[in-house]
Amino acid sequence: QQQVKQSPQSLIVQKGGISIINCAYENTAFDYFPWYQQFPGKGPALLIAIRPDVSEKKEGRFTISFNKSAKQFSLHIMDSQPGDSATYFCAASRSGGSNYKLTFGKGTLLTVNP
Amino acid sequence: GAGVSQTPSNKVTEKGKYVELRCDPISGHTALYWYRQSLGQGPEFLIYFQGTGAADDSGLPNDRFFAVRPEGSVSTLKIQRTERGDSAVYLCASSLMGEQFFGPGTRLTVL
Repeated sequence: QQQVKQSPQSLIVQKGGISIINCAYENTAFDYFPWYQQFPGKGPALLIAIRPDVSEKKEGRFTISFNKSAKQFSLHIMDSQPGDSATYFCAASRSGGSNYKLTFGKGTLLTVNP
Repeated sequence: GAGVSQTPSNKVTEKGKYVELRCDPISGHTALYWYRQSLGQGPEFLIYFQGTGAADDSGLPNDRFFAVRPEGSVSTLKIQRTERGDSAVYLCASSLMGEQFFGPGTRLTVL
């Protein structure tokens, strides 16, 4: 059972364009939704995260949009740069207690062409 | 400051052998997680430690996998009788207040 579904699997964007990655979750108990960026040979690094009490969160060029009723959230990368080329993972967890174990999507390989 | 470190970075072993993978978390982080990332997939949760105790080991695939954190800092993931299907990158993450910081992982190859 895939609890977090991510699309697209890969994405090619021109420099300066907008990259959009979508995720859908099934478990309504999830209440913490982070996005991670991973470069080859490195571990995932937290990019931005949102909780369901807000519908949008923006940090620099990165924005998360959250739709609680549809159980969907998305990452928008504005003014995409070649340095943004990486694999992006959405994830979800329950924050009750101290266990924040993450359920990840399968990832999106983003390529930003110069 | 120092991040999460994992050793070795690469481990090649033969089917049936025993392996140990080490994780050094960020100093002071009480929570430690192990994940497994297969090629082309997202990380999958294996086990969570709060302090010295394994608070959630629901992600361990079978009893060949075991992990310890005896002093509440360094953790070791142990895999007995390795199988080719165990080949993956094993990631460790530590946390203090929710946000997880990942190490670079150990790439395990079982021949």
